[in-house]
Amino acid sequence: DQQVKQNSPSLSVQEGRISILNCDYTNSMFDYFLWYKKYPAEGPTFLISISSIKDKNEDGRFTVFLNKSAKHLSLHIVPSQPGDSAVYFCAASARAGNNRKLIWGLGTSLAVNP
Amino acid sequence: KAGVTQTPRYLIKTRGQQVTLSCSPISGHRSVSWYQQTPGQGLQFLFEYFSETQRNKGNFPGRFSGRQFSNSRSEMNVSTLELGDSALYLCASRPGGTERNTEAFFGQGTRLTVV
Repeated sequence: DQQVKQNSPSLSVQEGRISILNCDYTNSMFDYFLWYKKYPAEGPTFLISISSIKDKNEDGRFTVFLNKSAKHLSLHIVPSQPGDSAVYFCAASARAGNNRKLIWGLGTSLAVNP
Repeated sequence: KAGVTQTPRYLIKTRGQQVTLSCSPISGHRSVSWYQQTPGQGLQFLFEYFSETQRNKGNFPGRFSGRQFSNSRSEMNVSTLELGDSALYLCASRPGGTERNTEAFFGQGTRLTVV
């Protein structure tokens, strides 16, 4: 049962245009969402996050939007650059007792073409 | 503050052998999680250790095991290696509390190739 779904395995965008990466979740207990970026042969690095009490968080070229009623979040990259080409993982966090679970999507591979 | 350190970076083993991978988390972090990444399979969660106790486990066979030491360093062991175990193994470090706004910090991974 995939609680966090990234339905697009890959995405190709022209340099300078907007990249939109989508993520859907099923568990309404998730209260914190994160996006990570991963280059080949490296560990994922944290990109941006959003709390469930917000619907938007912006950091430079990266904006994450959260639609709680639709259980959907998206990462917007504007303008896209060739160096943004990587795999992007969406993750969702929920409290479980005195612990926190972090559930990951399968990732979307973004290619930004010059 | 030093990041998450995984050793070794690369490893080649033969089918049937066993392997031990090591992870040193960020100082002060008590939670260490292990993931397996293969092409097209995303991040597959193996297990999480917190204060020397396994508190979460993914759907991997018993050949995959781990432990955590009192200094929070963690090791992962895979016995009776199979060709399908070839993957990038990633370790992630977190403070380990219940605060919502804590992200996981990853090491660079260990690339295991089973031949």
